[in-house]
Amino acid sequence: EPEVTQTPSHQVTQMGQEVILRCVPISNHLYFYWYRQILGQKVEFLVSFYNNEISEKSEIFDDQFSVERPDGSNFTLKIRSTKLEDSAMYFCASSGQGRSYEQYFGPGTRLTVT
Amino acid sequence: GENVEQHPSTLSVQEGDSAVIKCTYSDSASNYFPWYKQELGKRPQLIIDIRSNVGEKKDQRIAVTLNKTAKHFSLHITETQPEDSAVYFCAARRAGTALIFGKGTTLSVSS
Repeated sequence: EPEVTQTPSHQVTQMGQEVILRCVPISNHLYFYWYRQILGQKVEFLVSFYNNEISEKSEIFDDQFSVERPDGSNFTLKIRSTKLEDSAMYFCASSGQGRSYEQYFGPGTRLTVT
Repeated sequence: GENVEQHPSTLSVQEGDSAVIKCTYSDSASNYFPWYKQELGKRPQLIIDIRSNVGEKKDQRIAVTLNKTAKHFSLHITETQPEDSAVYFCAARRAGTALIFGKGTTLSVSS
């Protein structure tokens, strides 16, 4: 069964550095999402992406964040000038055609900012 | 925007008992309600979902009910087993929007 994949599984970075988190959505999916989960808390929506542009973003997704689909398979989340409070698990998700389709989550990237 | 409340935050049951987790949502336009199971350190896994044109859906020991008028939906797990122990999240969305999650319920099933 196809799955969403993410790399790296764990990223440690120093405050102020830039990080890029990578995701490979399920191949025939059209909608892509980033969520984050601070340890012990709920999953929070960051941004959704469709047709090569952002379709929705939350208040968390400020100018520090950007997303890109650089080729036909990858979907990336860039965090500029990381802060301690950016430490969290970041999940990529994708869904198929039609806006009501199920979203499938990747295994996550644990980001630790020191 | 949408807001999802989930109760209880923790639930402990004996193996074989039933477990019920309840969620309420605020946006009457929400039409899709999935439930995710998350084991420690793992990704959220979709276990069941329901759309607003259906009142109940069942998959083996798991069922979900939806009351659109009251804007609440519930997860029912029957004959619980130790491997059901995990954090369960409900979520809601309108068509074309992102999932908004509840805060999660930690279910512990003791044998």
